[in-house]
Amino acid sequence: DVKVTQSSRYLVKRTGEKVFLECVQDMDHENMFWYRQDPGLGLRLIYFSYDVKMKEKGDIPEGYSVSREKKERFSLILESASTNQTSMYLCASSTVRGHEKLFFGSGTQLSVL
Amino acid sequence: RKEVEQDPGPFNVPEGATVAFNCTYSNSASQSFFWYRQDCRKEPKLLMSVYSSGNEDGRFTAQLNRASQYISLLIRDSKLSDSATYLCVVNIPNTGNQFYFGTGTSLTVIP
Repeated sequence: DVKVTQSSRYLVKRTGEKVFLECVQDMDHENMFWYRQDPGLGLRLIYFSYDVKMKEKGDIPEGYSVSREKKERFSLILESASTNQTSMYLCASSTVRGHEKLFFGSGTQLSVL
Repeated sequence: RKEVEQDPGPFNVPEGATVAFNCTYSNSASQSFFWYRQDCRKEPKLLMSVYSSGNEDGRFTAQLNRASQYISLLIRDSKLSDSATYLCVVNIPNTGNQFYFGTGTSLTVIP
């Protein structure tokens, strides 16, 4: 089975802190994605990556950056956390070959105080 | 206009009932279609892919109508454990985002 692992299930940070959310997948998938999910707004794409060292902005990249130094790892960075970044963060991966499907990590519930 | 639209519900149905969800998509280049299930405070998990010919997995039946650009999910003989949010997901190749989500339909099965 595909496994997408997010480093933390719950995080509490203070306004202005730098926050790192880590995601690792074990199926050699090319594509990796970071979403946030808020009640009533559904899943919104923050950033995605098709290859190592490659990144593309999604729908809501402001206040975030990403890093993909290795194929299996995709990190989301909040340079200076703000209260409006309190959310559930979901990492996902997919292959580019054939019938693409998304596989999600278990999510990180981030609270910024 | 949103790429994918779903009725958010909530749907509250008694055990044993049959319930159907619909989802419409706007881009005719959409290629792959999925239903995901998401439990409260958990990640979405793939329930089933949706094929043009329709497909069934136990009590769940998914159908795709390309002409009208909608997909459906039918749940027969609802169980309490079916209570969850069901997300419609569409894959549009050669677009940046690739995957487009409905906001989800909430289902509660009542004893």
